[in-house]
Amino acid sequence: GENVEQHPSTLSVQEGDSAVIKCTYSDSASNYFPWYKQELGKRPQLIIDIRSNVGEKKDQRIAVTLNKTAKHFSLHITETQPEDSAVYFCAASIGSYNTDKLIFGTGTRLQVFP
Amino acid sequence: DGGITQSPKYLFRKEGQNVTLSCEQNLNHDAMYWYRQDPGQGLRLIYYSQIVNDFQKGDIAEGYSVSREKKESFPLTVTSAQKNPTAFYLCASNGGGDIQYFGAGTRLSVL
Repeated sequence: GENVEQHPSTLSVQEGDSAVIKCTYSDSASNYFPWYKQELGKRPQLIIDIRSNVGEKKDQRIAVTLNKTAKHFSLHITETQPEDSAVYFCAASIGSYNTDKLIFGTGTRLQVFP
Repeated sequence: DGGITQSPKYLFRKEGQNVTLSCEQNLNHDAMYWYRQDPGQGLRLIYYSQIVNDFQKGDIAEGYSVSREKKESFPLTVTSAQKNPTAFYLCASNGGGDIQYFGAGTRLSVL
């Protein structure tokens, strides 16, 4: 079946450094790729997303890149701050005509040390 | 809170008991979802519904049941057939675009 692999499972960086989280997906028909941030005990919140007709999208310190040929997309956080510490999940839509269903990666726990 | 309300926040189940988790949304969204979250395993889809009176099984539906009698409500019942129910349960909704919005979750534990 379809799956999404996410790496690394944990990531520790110094405040001000950059962090990169990578995901690969299996369904070549996937065309929507969101990233969610989840703080401890809280709900996942969408931080950025990208669609298959775009190769890169940026929102302040956060950017996402997509390589459809390689079925690979990445989250880039620059100038990290302690409040960026959380678990980050990538996801990919299932099928090209139904973007309602998502498959999630297993998450990356990011720790930003002051 | 994004218009999606889950209750209760914490729930305890005794062996052999069925329990029901509530999910209500006031966003007028057609699609609603239930996910289970275990440590290190991300979010796994239990059931989803794209319209009232219709729902489909997700990847881990065994031991769970749902109903969708009203657009704004999508309750999840964890039955006694679910032998390992301890987890964080998240409800989400989608208004026809791509974005899924999540509720605050219910943490279910077994007594």
